[in-house]
Amino acid sequence: TQLLEQSPQFLSIQEGENLTVYCNSSSVFSSLQWYRQEPGEGPVLLVTVVTGGEVKKLKRLTFQFGDARKDSSLHITAAQPGDTGLYLCAHRNQAGTALIFGKGTTLSVSS
Amino acid sequence: EAQVTQNPRYLITVTGKKLTVTCSQNMNHEYMSWYRQDPGLGLRQIYYSMNVEVTDKGDVPEGYKVSRKEKRNFPLILESPSPNQTSLYFCASSSDWTRSSYEQYFGPGTRLTVT
Repeated sequence: TQLLEQSPQFLSIQEGENLTVYCNSSSVFSSLQWYRQEPGEGPVLLVTVVTGGEVKKLKRLTFQFGDARKDSSLHITAAQPGDTGLYLCAHRNQAGTALIFGKGTTLSVSS
Repeated sequence: EAQVTQNPRYLITVTGKKLTVTCSQNMNHEYMSWYRQDPGLGLRQIYYSMNVEVTDKGDVPEGYKVSRKEKRNFPLILESPSPNQTSLYFCASSSDWTRSSYEQYFGPGTRLTVT
């Protein structure tokens, strides 16, 4: 199993601060995905990164795929309370039958 | 609206009482899957289905059954629930599952408590 380790596990910040969360592995991935899960809801896909070194932006969120395709980061600029949630990274397993998720980073942004 | 629906959203039951959690998607997706989410363990796959009448075990299938008689529905069956099946359950479906642009759509979740 290709494990994904996410850090930090919990993050509590004030509105307007910047933050970065990480998704690391010793394995090489063909692609990685980031999902956000809000309380009482299912995960929702934010982005898929495919190419080593790739950077994708989604408004105030910046996603980067490591050059060696073993890790990824999510940077949020000027966090807002609406960014509160659980951020999960995931990859499709080698058999192509499931998504394997990291345990996630729980982000709390207070105003 | 494209969506995955699950019912019920909340369920409290007793050990041994058979139950079914329904899952339906209106996107004509071939791939469907069930996950459970537990604190400290994250999301783990229970069963998946690549198409109608094609189902297979995921990482934690013990105590669960599924069926896929029609493309849109993928019910999860607990024949004899036990307290260790207390969890948050998610159904998901996906188009283009075998391609690099795959995306899984998740239902809103079913919180199950077995006493």
